Amino acid sequence: DQQVKQNSPSLSVQEGRISILNCDYTNSMFDYFLWYKKYPAEGPTFLISISSIKDKNEDGRFTVFLNKSAKHLSLHIVPSQPGDSAVYFCAASAPNTGKLIFGQGTTLQVKP
Amino acid sequence: NAGVTQTPKFRILKIGQSMTLQCTQDMNHNYMYWYRQDPGMGLKLIYYSVGAGITDKGEVPNGYNVSRSTTEDFPLRLELAAPSQTSVYFCASSYGSREGNEQFFGPGTRLTVL
Repeated sequence: DQQVKQNSPSLSVQEGRISILNCDYTNSMFDYFLWYKKYPAEGPTFLISISSIKDKNEDGRFTVFLNKSAKHLSLHIVPSQPGDSAVYFCAASAPNTGKLIFGQGTTLQVKP
Repeated sequence: NAGVTQTPKFRILKIGQSMTLQCTQDMNHNYMYWYRQDPGMGLKLIYYSVGAGITDKGEVPNGYNVSRSTTEDFPLRLELAAPSQTSVYFCASSYGSREGNEQFFGPGTRLTVL
């Protein structure tokens, strides 16, 4: 059973608009959630994270929101830029294991 | 600082052949990981290590072996390659116990088994 799910395989937005990527999880014991960005033929790179004790974390154009009661998090990118076109992975940290559980990824396309 | 490096970048194997995927990190991280990514899927953990001499199975360990003789290196061994092992393999490292457990990834090895 998949503990971290990204139900939208792809998303297309216009440059300058907001991109919202969603992620759901099942295990209430996860203590951190992370977003990674991946370009073709490259490894994933860390984008932003949020502790389970917070509900929002912001870094420039990127904001992650956490709704613990719904076991749902989202990544907002404002404004979206063509260079943001990539695959975005949501990941959850299992406490005291050093392991991350990844979602399937969402491919974001930002059109000029 | 090279970060996490992986060799080779690409490889084609015949069924039954063996190979080792190399991974090296220069960040003095204790934790290292091997993942595979299949099309349309997320990253699945194959094996991980919390320090030199210590390894443990992840979610999909069958058909693979690892060793960790130094902090820097974490090679992944495929003994009898099968078509189901066609995938992109990523090595990663982290401090492990630090909050958030941000992992740093290598560029990947694209493996095809025919």
